[in-house]
Amino acid sequence: QQQVKQSPQSLIVQKGGIPIINCAYENTAFDYFPWYQQFPGKGPALLIAIRPDVSEKKEGRFTISFNKSAKQFSLHIMDSQPGDSATYFCAASMNDKLIFGTGTRLQVFP
Amino acid sequence: KAGVTQTPRYLIKTRGQQVTLSCSPISGHRSVSWYQQTPGQGLQFLFEYFSETQRNKGNFPGRFSGRQFSNSRSEMNVSTLELGDSALYLCASSLVVGQHEKLFFGSGTQLSVL
Repeated sequence: QQQVKQSPQSLIVQKGGIPIINCAYENTAFDYFPWYQQFPGKGPALLIAIRPDVSEKKEGRFTISFNKSAKQFSLHIMDSQPGDSATYFCAASMNDKLIFGTGTRLQVFP
Repeated sequence: KAGVTQTPRYLIKTRGQQVTLSCSPISGHRSVSWYQQTPGQGLQFLFEYFSETQRNKGNFPGRFSGRQFSNSRSEMNVSTLELGDSALYLCASSLVVGQHEKLFFGSGTQLSVL
């Protein structure tokens, strides 16, 4: 059973656009919500993360919006660049386990 | 500081064979986790080791096993390979169990089962 649902599966935007990737979770015991970025041939790398007591977190051009009541969180990439083209994974953590979404392949065209 | 190192980078095996993958964590990290990555399924947790003991286990059949050595290096073994085992196998390390804020992944071993 998939505990973290991620959408869309793929996303194409032009440079400067604001891609948004959404995730929904089921278990309210999750207490940490990271986003990972993965480039081809590389392992995922932590991009940004949020805890459920905060509704928004910004780091550079990346923003997480968190809606605890709806059990949803999303990643926004401001002023997207071709170098942001990668696969993005949301995840949720509880009891020392990290549960990943299925990933979103983002392509940013010049 | 060297990152997480996984060997080999690529593997091709046939059904029924077994395979062993290796992971060297970041120096000083004692927790090693393994994940299976397939298109459409994302990353699925296999198991986590800390101080040579398995601390957590995902929902994979017993054909998937692992171990950790005293130097924190870890190996993962898959016996009686099936076509569906074709995937990228990722290893991640952290200082302690559950320290997801400081989890670092290797580049993975791409396993193809023919």
